[in-house]
Amino acid sequence: EVQLVQSGAEMKKPGESLKISCQASGYGFSNYWIGWVRQKPGNGLEWMVILYPGDSDTRYNPAFQGQVTISVDKSVNTAYLQWSSLQASDTALYYCIKLGAGTSGWYIDHWGQGTLVTVSS
Amino acid sequence: QSVLTQPPSVSGAPGQRVTISCTGSTSNLGADYHVHWYQQLPGTAPKLLIYGNTNRPSGVPDRFSGSKSGTSASLAITGLQAEDEATYYCQSYDSSLSTAVFGGGTMLTVL
Repeated sequence: EVQLVQSGAEMKKPGESLKISCQASGYGFSNYWIGWVRQKPGNGLEWMVILYPGDSDTRYNPAFQGQVTISVDKSVNTAYLQWSSLQASDTALYYCIKLGAGTSGWYIDHWGQGTLVTVSS
Repeated sequence: QSVLTQPPSVSGAPGQRVTISCTGSTSNLGADYHVHWYQQLPGTAPKLLIYGNTNRPSGVPDRFSGSKSGTSASLAITGLQAEDEATYYCQSYDSSLSTAVFGGGTMLTVL
């Protein structure tokens, strides 16, 4: 069974750094794209970034390029999303995602449970 | 303003059929990129409902079906049930933005 287990909720101040995690299990970690989707309170879904662990190919949504950094540690099947300097506008629920396989384009076949990040002074 | 446009809300009575539209442009749905649909129940993570325009993952009831034509796509739900009350999102790829994109979401109310 595929599982994406994310780290717990975070409360941070503006300007602080943060790294959240997503541990994957139940499938070949190196063989599928993994990434992150943002959902601001009461809002819709925003595609942020994906990475292919097999060769580290990374595709950022241009709107998030330079704002966040994705990384993976293949030794522990874990993906990370990090910020160097948080802003209040980063307050949101962040979902870890795994993309499906095949020829149907980029689609999300599994989601993590979400990590709530709150940034407030 | 989302690149893919969905109605903010739809509603239907139990047992009825409802459709949710997703309208794009020549840089996404019209460029032959696939559309995918997700269901987000209140307070939970989204779940894949339809991928590759028309395909249902294992476990998704056949009451849910997808279609796509030109720059538009639709999700149809037949035999509406109370448990279908959720927000539904379409998603595709946009070549102008060079990223995947979501619709704004449609809240389905079962009357």
